[in-house]
Amino acid sequence: EPEVTQTPSHQVTQMGQEVILRCVPISNHLYFYWYRQILGQKVEFLVSFYNNEISEKSEIFDDQFSVERPDGSNFTLKIRSTKLEDSAMYFCASGHGNTIYFGEGSWLTVV
Amino acid sequence: KQEVTQIPAALSVPEGENLVLNCSFTDSAIYNLQWFRQDPGKGLTSLLLIQSSQREQTSGRLNASLDKSSGRSTLYIAASQPGDSATYLCAVRPYDNYGQNFVFGPGTRLSVLP
Repeated sequence: EPEVTQTPSHQVTQMGQEVILRCVPISNHLYFYWYRQILGQKVEFLVSFYNNEISEKSEIFDDQFSVERPDGSNFTLKIRSTKLEDSAMYFCASGHGNTIYFGEGSWLTVV
Repeated sequence: KQEVTQIPAALSVPEGENLVLNCSFTDSAIYNLQWFRQDPGKGLTSLLLIQSSQREQTSGRLNASLDKSSGRSTLYIAASQPGDSATYLCAVRPYDNYGQNFVFGPGTRLSVLP
């Protein structure tokens, strides 16, 4: 069964460093998403991406964040200068209509 | 702004019991509602999707209902098993943006004791 895959599964980074989280969505899906979940808190929407551009973003998704689909298969989330409060599980998801499918997540720990 | 709440926050039951998890949302203008399962440190697995025009969906031992006008959904688990132990998340897709994003509840942490 097709699935959304994410790398790395876990990353530890120094505060102020740039981080890129990678995702391979399900191949025939058109909509791509990033969500995050801070430990013990709700899953929060960050951004949605359709037709090679951002279709919606939340207040969390400020100038420190960016997304791109560089090669038609990968979908990346970049955090330019990480802060301690960026520590969370980041979920990529893809969808083609009614529902979306989530990856296993990437744990980001900022120290 | 859509808010989703879930009751109870945690639930512990003996194996074999039937149980109900509750989800409430503040704005009835939704595209659909979805129940997910999350195991510790893992991703989100979709369990059931209910469109706004539907009243319920069933999959195996799971049954989800939707009462859009009252802003409620329930997830019924029949004959619970220890393998059902996980956090169950309810999420709604607001109607006003063609359902571009989900709004999640905080989840119900379920423990099924052998």
